[in-house]
Amino acid sequence: EVQLVESGGGLVQPGGSLRLSCAASGFTFSSYWMHWVRQAPGKGLVWVSRINSDGSYTSYADSVKGRFTISRDNAKNTLYLQMNSLRAEDTAVYYCATQIRGVVHWGQGTLVTVSS
Amino acid sequence: QAVVTQEPSLTVSPGGTVTLTCGSSTGAVTSGHYPYWFQQKPGQAPRTLIYDTSNKHSWTPARFSGSLLGGKAALTLSGAQPEDEAEYYCLLSYSGPWVFGGGTKLTVL
Repeated sequence: EVQLVESGGGLVQPGGSLRLSCAASGFTFSSYWMHWVRQAPGKGLVWVSRINSDGSYTSYADSVKGRFTISRDNAKNTLYLQMNSLRAEDTAVYYCATQIRGVVHWGQGTLVTVSS
Repeated sequence: QAVVTQEPSLTVSPGGTVTLTCGSSTGAVTSGHYPYWFQQKPGQAPRTLIYDTSNKHSWTPARFSGSLLGGKAALTLSGAQPEDEAEYYCLLSYSGPWVFGGGTKLTVL
């Protein structure tokens, strides 16, 4: 069974940093692209970033480009999102997700709150 | 970047049929956009209902079906149940980043 478990969320002040993790199991992590998707309170889903299977390619939404960095450790089956220069509008539940044989699998999400 | 549009809200009677649609600002939605449909209930993560236009996951109830209709992706619910009340999101692929629609709040009433 595919499992994705996010962690690392919490309350952070504007301008601060946070690193999210996503522990993967139940599939060959090193073979699949991974994504981060966020959802602000009461709002819709917004794609944030993606990384290819070996970590050599990444891309970002314009809203986070230059502030967020996606990475992965295939030896640890773990995906990361380093978030710097956080703003109030980054407040959201952050989901990691992957697409396996067509189906998108989601984690349960981790809440990031940016507030003073 | 493309904008993906969905009806903000729809209401269906129990046992009734409703169709949700997903359009693209760049033109007609095709199978090449690999349309997805996700269901999300309050406090829960999204889950895949339909992938690649019309394929169902093992947990997708038979009453849900996906198609292309009038230049849009469509999700049809036939025989709505109270437990189908949820937010539904479509996702289109544009040869790169994912682009989600704004979601449709479906009420079963």
